[in-house]
Amino acid sequence: ETGVTQTPRHLVMGMTNKKSLKCEQHLKHNAMYWYKQSAKKPLELMFVYNFKEQTENNSVPSRFSPECPNSSHLFLHLHTLQPEDSALYLCASSHLLAGDDNEQFFGPGTRLTVL
Amino acid sequence: AQTVTQSQPEMSVQEAETVTLSCTYDTSESDYYLFWYKQPPSRQMILVIRQEAYKQQNATENRFSVNFQKAAKSFSLKISDSQLGDAAMYFCAYRRIPFYSGGGADGLTFGKGTHLIIQP
Repeated sequence: ETGVTQTPRHLVMGMTNKKSLKCEQHLKHNAMYWYKQSAKKPLELMFVYNFKEQTENNSVPSRFSPECPNSSHLFLHLHTLQPEDSALYLCASSHLLAGDDNEQFFGPGTRLTVL
Repeated sequence: AQTVTQSQPEMSVQEAETVTLSCTYDTSESDYYLFWYKQPPSRQMILVIRQEAYKQQNATENRFSVNFQKAAKSFSLKISDSQLGDAAMYFCAYRRIPFYSGGGADGLTFGKGTHLIIQP
């Protein structure tokens, strides 16, 4: 695998379910991000992890719980979601301490539908 | 807070012609990065071009170039010789430069996007 991968690519869940989204980067980056892309809003930053430490939580409801066990993996744990949480969830990674060369590379996204 | 505005929800251009996508932003920072990302139907976000605010020279990448007007807080993307493969959503994005040494992780602020249609 190369680049940034996300699984599953599609997920349908009920409001009482618990599920997790997984992101893995094969680029030896040390920062990872979760973004939400809804139909009628700009891409919204959700969480930022910097060397496995969460450095930003962009006022995200507690029903979204991120986890970053190491610099290559990022999870988004979901529970008791609402239909308005249906969206494309994008993961990205970047390399820190590399001067200007800190482009964010995105995964293909997980299309989430909450029924 | 920073904001990014793309006022053109959709643009259409004939193949081989030139098209310009507009973007304005608001920030109180003096140093920052600006980006144009492309998102084709596959939904994979791809970086098209990047501009550092402290550089006066406009960035260019093959058929893609920007017109960066720092005082006006404007950052437009020009696509020359449009090709069918250029059809996609285009997002303008902003990222501040972290203050502490060594850089740092910081998220992107995106505009709502412009849907670019290429007419054959």
